[in-house]
Amino acid sequence: GAVVSQHPSRVICKSGTSVKIECRSLDFQATTMFWYRQFPKQSLMLMATSNEGSKATYEQGVEKDKFLINHASLTLSTLTVTSAHPEDSSFYICSVEGAVTGELFFGEGSRLTVL
Amino acid sequence: ELKVEQNPLFLSMQEGKNYTIYCNYSTTSDRLYWYRQDPGKSLESLFVLLSNGAVKQEGRLMASLDTKARLSTLHITAAVHDLSATYFCAGIGGSNYKLTFGKGTLLTVNP
Repeated sequence: GAVVSQHPSRVICKSGTSVKIECRSLDFQATTMFWYRQFPKQSLMLMATSNEGSKATYEQGVEKDKFLINHASLTLSTLTVTSAHPEDSSFYICSVEGAVTGELFFGEGSRLTVL
Repeated sequence: ELKVEQNPLFLSMQEGKNYTIYCNYSTTSDRLYWYRQDPGKSLESLFVLLSNGAVKQEGRLMASLDTKARLSTLHITAAVHDLSATYFCAGIGGSNYKLTFGKGTLLTVNP
């Protein structure tokens, strides 16, 4: 069964609105979760590392005020795309490192379309 | 900073043939991953390679790791249409110790 669950899987919103994406670790507690973005026909790019109980660590070039990350519990991290614009349309994927060294689990992904 | 290069980026092959996808990385990588991605879907984990000389096989796919050459390979044996997908390798290492993906190899297996 799924280890990591993302919701929603698809979302369409109007430009200027905010969208929240949830990432849940189903089988174990995760102090760290990762958020990736994938544009069409491209690879995955790490956006930020979500840390339970503390601030997220953002990669260079990712606006922390635009992509708000909250990791309030050991099983849930949320990514909020604020004031979304069409260029934010992308596939957002979260991942969790498993309890066994070397395991990485990915959520099903959330496809955001901003009109 | 770890850099990961895959080649080829596009691979069209006939069913029944064998081929290899190569993944080179720039600095020491503690782990090397291979993932499969179908159109519109997330990543499916194929292999995790943790040490030099590691070889793992699952069905028609076999992955290996040579840490001295900084090279991992994904070998496809007797390809079938169902293997058509994009394959990514990814490593963890370098100064930022984050998972870094290659650009992916779009594999198309033709009948």
